[in-house]
Amino acid sequence: DTEVTQTPKHLVMGMTNKKSLKCEQHMGHRAMYWYKQKAKKPPELMFVYSYEKLSINESVPSRFSPECPNSSLLNLHLHALQPEDSALYLCASSQDPRTNEKLFFGSGTQLSVL
Amino acid sequence: GENVEQHPSTLSVQEGDSAVIKCTYSDSASNYFPWYKQELGKRPQLIIDIRSNVGEKKDQRIAVTLNKTAKHFSLHITETQPEDSAVYFCAAFPGSARQLTFGSGTQLTVLP
Repeated sequence: DTEVTQTPKHLVMGMTNKKSLKCEQHMGHRAMYWYKQKAKKPPELMFVYSYEKLSINESVPSRFSPECPNSSLLNLHLHALQPEDSALYLCASSQDPRTNEKLFFGSGTQLSVL
Repeated sequence: GENVEQHPSTLSVQEGDSAVIKCTYSDSASNYFPWYKQELGKRPQLIIDIRSNVGEKKDQRIAVTLNKTAKHFSLHITETQPEDSAVYFCAAFPGSARQLTFGSGTQLTVLP
């Protein structure tokens, strides 16, 4: 199984809502990632979870909160988002976080903040 | 940190022609260079990658070349087809527990 599964595929939320994005991989990969991607731009790294440790891109606002219930699941909790947070949110996984080789992306959640 | 520049930003070719996309990187410690293809509305997908101890790698119509001295690497697509139309991203991995740095992307359009 070479899939990274993300739900939901689309999400519309208001600025006062709380929602969560979910990601699951069954490839036994040791690292999972959240990326944010604006249209026609490269993915921007938000968080990395590897070897039970969380690494944060310091530019990511605190209204984004990651959670890793186990080695195959990664959630992204959203609270009080702003319209500029509208983007495609991609989950990814890789076997070895030290090399980043063979980074597999999920299909993404297209998020619209109204 | 690592900086990856990608050119051109847009590229149009006739079906059957070749396409070349070039990237330069700044960190001489970078040792892994993947290329991702992203079709409209889809996920980025790894299409080919190369490690710094190899100068060239081919996979059917796709090839990547790496020049470590000049710190640049290129994607070559031969016999292009309309389904090759997509945004292509290069990336470099500087190692030392840091993360992939992506180029800005190239919109490739293959005209029938």
